[in-house]
Amino acid sequence: GAVVSQHPSRVICKSGTSVKIECRSLDFQATTMFWYRQFPKQSLMLMATSNEGSKATYEQGVEKDKFLINHASLTLSTLTVTSAHPEDSSFYICSARGGDYSDTEAFFGQGTRLTVV
Amino acid sequence: KNEVEQSPQNLTAQEGEFITINCSYSVGISALHWLQQHPGGGIVSLFMLSSGKKKHGRLIATINIQEKHSSLHITASHPRDSAVYICAVSKSSNYKLTFGKGTLLTVNP
Repeated sequence: GAVVSQHPSRVICKSGTSVKIECRSLDFQATTMFWYRQFPKQSLMLMATSNEGSKATYEQGVEKDKFLINHASLTLSTLTVTSAHPEDSSFYICSARGGDYSDTEAFFGQGTRLTVV
Repeated sequence: KNEVEQSPQNLTAQEGEFITINCSYSVGISALHWLQQHPGGGIVSLFMLSSGKKKHGRLIATINIQEKHSSLHITASHPRDSAVYICAVSKSSNYKLTFGKGTLLTVNP
């Protein structure tokens, strides 16, 4: 399968600062990337869907001004958590689809553990 | 009721045992995924299937579309199989993934 690289794997930041998480497709062109959030012992929850070159589509209840998503190229999408607060501490994962793969195939990044202190 | 239900939530086995994890769903799907999440958090896609059965090494996944049910089997389980196994369905309406809560598998030596 395809390779999706997510960086950083762990980040600790101070309350009020912003954090950027990168998601890269290494060997295919990702026309669509998905950002998920996972609370402890909970399912992954879709936050937003981003298509290259257009604005992201956010799921209900997700603040678009707080979670800024940019998908400027076919291999890179970024999620920026702005003015982070302790309640934003969570595990964030991206997935990507595109290239020669079918729409139902999903390739996941390694995830980013965000801790806001 | 969740659209994707997994059972059991937790499973402890002895090394060498045959493991079965079940997944039921209630929506129309284009595909079902079995994912593995290790304690560090990274997710690995194990299988994607829309019918029948797939096998990869000691792992076997089956799906019954009529009954809206899938099973993941692990033969000759090993401590390194210890992880959370997640069932996810790709909805036929929009291809978005909906996830089960996962099954925490612990295989003791």
